[in-house]
Amino acid sequence: QKEVEQNSGPLSVPEGAIASLNCTYSDRGSQSFFWYRQYSGKSPELIMSIYSNGDKEDGRFTAQLNKASQYVSLLIRDSQPSDSATYLCAVKETSYDKVIFGPGTSLSVIP
Amino acid sequence: DGGITQSPKYLFRKEGQNVTLSCEQNLNHDAMYWYRQDPGQGLRLIYYSQIVNDFQKGDIAEGYSVSREKKESFPLTVTSAQKNPTAFYLCASSIDPPGLRNNEQFFGPGTRLTVL
Repeated sequence: QKEVEQNSGPLSVPEGAIASLNCTYSDRGSQSFFWYRQYSGKSPELIMSIYSNGDKEDGRFTAQLNKASQYVSLLIRDSQPSDSATYLCAVKETSYDKVIFGPGTSLSVIP
Repeated sequence: DGGITQSPKYLFRKEGQNVTLSCEQNLNHDAMYWYRQDPGQGLRLIYYSQIVNDFQKGDIAEGYSVSREKKESFPLTVTSAQKNPTAFYLCASSIDPPGLRNNEQFFGPGTRLTVL
């Protein structure tokens, strides 16, 4: 079973700061990477998908992918208290018809 | 409104009982999935289905069963053989089949199952 690893946190940042969430994966051939946000007691919500090396920006969110280092990250600029949630990294592996989810990083944005 | 619905939101089961969790989608997605989430752990795949009348086991299928008689519906039965069923159960769907790269999955609101 391939693995997806994330720091469990909690990660605390002040309001307005940049939050940086990191994820590493074990399958070098992985091609698709997803970030989900999950509020406490709720289901995951897809916020970003990235497939190519480099950066992908969507509003205050930037996903960064480095396949050589098997590393994907999510940056949240101008963090807001409403960003406080658990962020799940998910990786689609080449040899499986499924997506592997990491355990999630808990983010707390302090007003 | 398009989306994925799950019912019930909360479910309580006695030891030895089978229970069925409902999942319905009106997104016209071909692929549907069931995951289980335990505190502090990532989502684990129970079963998935790419087309009607076909489904495959995921990583933790023991003690669970599914059916896919309609495109819109993918119910999950938690049987008495599942020894530790208390968890948050999430149903998801995707427009692309699992074998394609752009396998973005969208989740329903979840069912929280507790064994009494």
